[in-house]
Amino acid sequence: SQTIHQWPATLVQPVGSPLSLECTVEGTSNPNLYWYRQAAGRGLQLLFYSVGIGQISSEVPQNLSASRPQDRQFILSSKKLLLSDSGFYLCASSAGYEQYFGPGTRLTVT
Amino acid sequence: GENVEQHPSTLSVQEGDSAVIKCTYSDSASNYFPWYKQELGKRPQLIIDIRSNVGEKKDQRIAVTLNKTAKHFSLHITETQPEDSAVYFCAASPMDSNYQLIWGAGTKLIIKP
Repeated sequence: SQTIHQWPATLVQPVGSPLSLECTVEGTSNPNLYWYRQAAGRGLQLLFYSVGIGQISSEVPQNLSASRPQDRQFILSSKKLLLSDSGFYLCASSAGYEQYFGPGTRLTVT
Repeated sequence: GENVEQHPSTLSVQEGDSAVIKCTYSDSASNYFPWYKQELGKRPQLIIDIRSNVGEKKDQRIAVTLNKTAKHFSLHITETQPEDSAVYFCAASPMDSNYQLIWGAGTKLIIKP
């Protein structure tokens, strides 16, 4: 079965600072990878998904970007954080229909 | 594109009673329908799913039913327990979407002791 690692678990960053969140996957090859954001008390917003190395699709225009430098590594970045970027960031992986989530990073932008 | 609506947004039931959460979808070609449970502060976890060629699936106290004609599917939890309190999300995967999921908005289930 798949294991998804995310770090850090929590992060407090000032407005205008950069961001880098990393996700790595074990137990499968060539997975689809996803970045979701969840605002407090809200649903799951798909930010990016990737079907292979270097292949990124963006679902929502914003100041975030994603990269997939290796098969099982997915990185979410920002050059300048906004207050509205606060939320719970979840990486997910799928080898078919079933999506499995990492433990998440809780980001607070102050 | 696909759109998934989930009702109710909040559901409060007495411990031991049954709970039912419903989702409707718009794309008749969608062929995979999972349900996720998210406890407070935790990641969503897949609890049950159903493919479009099946009408019902059960796993102990939880079951999912699918009505393809009406384009809706439901999560049924029987003999509810305090640990069932969580937010539940439904989703649908449109055909030819590279296994993407379109998510419902979530239902907060509260189990009253």
